[in-house]
Amino acid sequence: EAQVTQNPRYLITVTGKKLTVTCSQNMNHEYMSWYRQDPGLGLRQIYYSMNVEVTDKGDVPEGYKVSRKEKRNFPLILESPSPNQTSLYFCASSLGGWGYEQYFGPGTRLTVT
Amino acid sequence: SQQGEEDPQALSIQEGENATMNCSYKTSINNLQWYRQNSGRGLVHLILIRSNEREKHSGRLRVTLDTSKKSSSLLITASRAADTASYFCATDAESSSNTGKLIFGQGTTLQVKP
Repeated sequence: EAQVTQNPRYLITVTGKKLTVTCSQNMNHEYMSWYRQDPGLGLRQIYYSMNVEVTDKGDVPEGYKVSRKEKRNFPLILESPSPNQTSLYFCASSLGGWGYEQYFGPGTRLTVT
Repeated sequence: SQQGEEDPQALSIQEGENATMNCSYKTSINNLQWYRQNSGRGLVHLILIRSNEREKHSGRLRVTLDTSKKSSSLLITASRAADTASYFCATDAESSSNTGKLIFGQGTTLQVKP
């Protein structure tokens, strides 16, 4: 089944404790991205990747890191999480950039205390 | 920056009725997409309409695009309780640089009562 998977689905952590949210897709998509969704602010793009070893900042990259060593994986790293990073995070993938539908993962609900 | 703005923010209808949601955007676009999100879950792609298209259908969904007014509408006909969800429009921004970034609106929350 074609899908985007994210782990963990739920995470409660404390300020400053490094964490990684994994994202994997099995559709051989070149394009992957991370969004966060907050009430009243909608979905905002954090980082995106056009292909392996190619990543770039989205609208809200501060406090996040990503890497794209393999085509299928695009982990999101929070080196020192803070409470303002409490949010619902979505990974997405598509065949290319514009003009292609994006496939979203199920989401990761992160709470930073 | 916010590109798409949906209207209304919330909509409540009876099963069997039609639901219409509107989206307005600010800058020229290449494509506009509509997505559905069930509560707290991932977004599901519904339809993509290109800037040179005026109307597109998919099952009970009809999307129109008016680039002169910078607006789009999503019509769901003969709604069902299972259509209860939030609906988002998403646009790219016409540019020589294809970043693939989608800019999402705030969404319309649709409730379909049985």
